[in-house]
Amino acid sequence: QSVLTQPPSVSAAPGQKVTISCSGSSSNIGNNYVSWYQQLPGTAPKLLIYDNNERPSGIPDRFSGSTSGTSATLGITGLQTGDEADYYCGTWDSSLSAGVFGGGTKLTVL
Amino acid sequence: QVQLVQSGSELRKPGASVKVSCKASGYTFTNYAINWVRQAPGQGLEWMGWINTNTGNPTYAQGFAGRFVFSLDTSISTTYLQINGLKAEDTAVYYCATSKQPLGARNWFDPWGQGALVTVSS
Repeated sequence: QSVLTQPPSVSAAPGQKVTISCSGSSSNIGNNYVSWYQQLPGTAPKLLIYDNNERPSGIPDRFSGSTSGTSATLGITGLQTGDEADYYCGTWDSSLSAGVFGGGTKLTVL
Repeated sequence: QVQLVQSGSELRKPGASVKVSCKASGYTFTNYAINWVRQAPGQGLEWMGWINTNTGNPTYAQGFAGRFVFSLDTSISTTYLQINGLKAEDTAVYYCATSKQPLGARNWFDPWGQGALVTVSS
């Protein structure tokens, strides 16, 4: 059971927009910064978003992050078949003094 | 470029030990922490803990103290994960990833190593 809760799967058509939610609590998302990772099949996770809404160099602006209270959201616009992957949210949990991840969301681009 | 390169896949019998390495390049090794993350087959990411590359002090997440040991050799910019008394449920891909140190409110993991598959089977 993950500390952060994500939907197991989401899907949308190419060119459309999708959002992936990540729900936590005041000890994690509510008071710490959120990051998002993309894991393409058979590869290592890759940082997509850090500090809630910042994109590392090389990450297209189709990817965006936001937070509100104890929840975070990853948005992806202009979906491409190459975006099919597992997406994970992550943050620090102050009560556990530990890094925590969501259970992951599998994105299918229909 | 900043890069983490891990050692290859390992097959061990239950009760044995394994040591996975993670070699950093492209940055000053002691400026950033190394974290370890486990991913069991078909499962999500699980943070195992981190090692302070300045002091060598390891911190283990709940459930990873005891059989799991983080160490480092700063002379070759390499961090190690040793797992003792292997069990079948330790079968997983183990990733290393850098982050700021110490870990805290503003924390993210980038880059990641390519992962090392450890298979425990008799």
